[in-house]
Parts: sequence; C-alpha cells; structure tokens
Amino acid sequence: TQLLEQSPQFLSIQEGENLTVYCNSSSVFSSLQWYRQEPGEGPVLLVTVVTGGEVKKLKRLTFQFGDARKDSSLHITAAQPGDTGLYLCAGSYSNDYKLSFGAGTTVTVRA
Amino acid sequence: DSGVTQTPKHLITATGQRVTLRCSPRSGDLSVYWYQQSLDQGLQFLIQYYNGEERAKGNILERFSAQQFPDLHSELNLSSLELGDSALYFCASSVTSGRTNEQFFGPGTRLTVL
Repeated sequence: TQLLEQSPQFLSIQEGENLTVYCNSSSVFSSLQWYRQEPGEGPVLLVTVVTGGEVKKLKRLTFQFGDARKDSSLHITAAQPGDTGLYLCAGSYSNDYKLSFGAGTTVTVRA
Repeated sequence: DSGVTQTPKHLITATGQRVTLRCSPRSGDLSVYWYQQSLDQGLQFLIQYYNGEERAKGNILERFSAQQFPDLHSELNLSSLELGDSALYFCASSVTSGRTNEQFFGPGTRLTVL
C-alpha cells in the first residue's frame, strides 16, 4: 500500500518550460526525501526536508514541505533534457527508519 | 556514485532456484535496507538491518531472507524463485541518526527469473 500519492504520473514538456510535481499523504512524516532515478539505475537523493513550511533550492529545483508535513512539491524552472527521469518522493516516520515511496512521476523534457 | 556497491549487476536464473545478492554500505553507515522495485508495485521496502541486527521488516516473503555481517555488508537470499520475483533489487544505507533518514542507494541488481 502506497502511503504517498504523487501527481501527475507522467509529465512531458518542452525544454525551457516549468513543471511542478506533487506528493501528498494522509500521514505526518518526520522527514521527506526527493529522489531522481534513471532507467536501470538506483535512486539518487536530491534533497531532504524536515521542517513544516521549509523551502530548499538546488539550482533550478525548488522543494517545498507543507506546513502540516503531509505534502511536498518539486518545482523545476526552465527544464532541460537532462532533467528527464523518474522523480520519487519518500517519507519516514520518526520511530521508523524505513522509507515509504510514492509511485513516482516520469518527467520527459523534449529538446 | 553513492558509495553503496551491489553485486551482481544482472542475474538470470530459473524458477525454483536460489540466489544471493550482495551489498556493501557506504563507509561509516551502520544501517542497510533492501528494496524491491517492479513495474506494478514501485519501490517496496523489504527489510532493514542495523549494525548486524534486524530492525524492521516490510513486505518480505518467507522465501526471502537477509543478514548483515560484522563488516556491515549484507546479503539478500531469495529461494524457490518464481517468475514474479523478477525485479530490480536495491540496497540502501544510512547513518541512522537524527530526524533525517537520508538513505543512499546502490546501483541495484536486476533479477530475471525464467
């Protein structure tokens, strides 16, 4: 059972456009991570957010953690073909170190 | 490169067989996690070890088992393999401290059961 819901499932945009991916849960998480995964490879950690309302920026990527720590978003500005991949959000509880993953959003940036 | 290594990269075997997947965590990480990724189920947590002891279990079948050795490397054993066990198997490691739970993933083992 997926505790995290990601939307949209697929996203195809033109180079230079912006995009936003959403991650929602009915549970409160102690921390939430965003990963990017390319076909046949392991997920690569992009960012960790722990405080409600927190905003983190990583070059053209902006990550936001909801005030109630139940939702998060990933915004990419001026997307490039190199941003193509599967974006996964994953959350953990304070007393439980395993990660629960969303189903992922497949992002395709066309040149 | 996350610093987590997994071997083998690919594994092809037949139904009913048994295989062992190996993982070496990042230097200094005490926790090892195993995940299974299939097309229809996404990334599913299987089991966690911390400093040699089992800490948490997820949706791991009874045919599957794991262990973590004194040098902290871990092995995932899959037996009586079925076609449905074909998937990518990932190992991740973390320090396991503080509020964050940053896990770093290895490159995975692609298991194909014929």
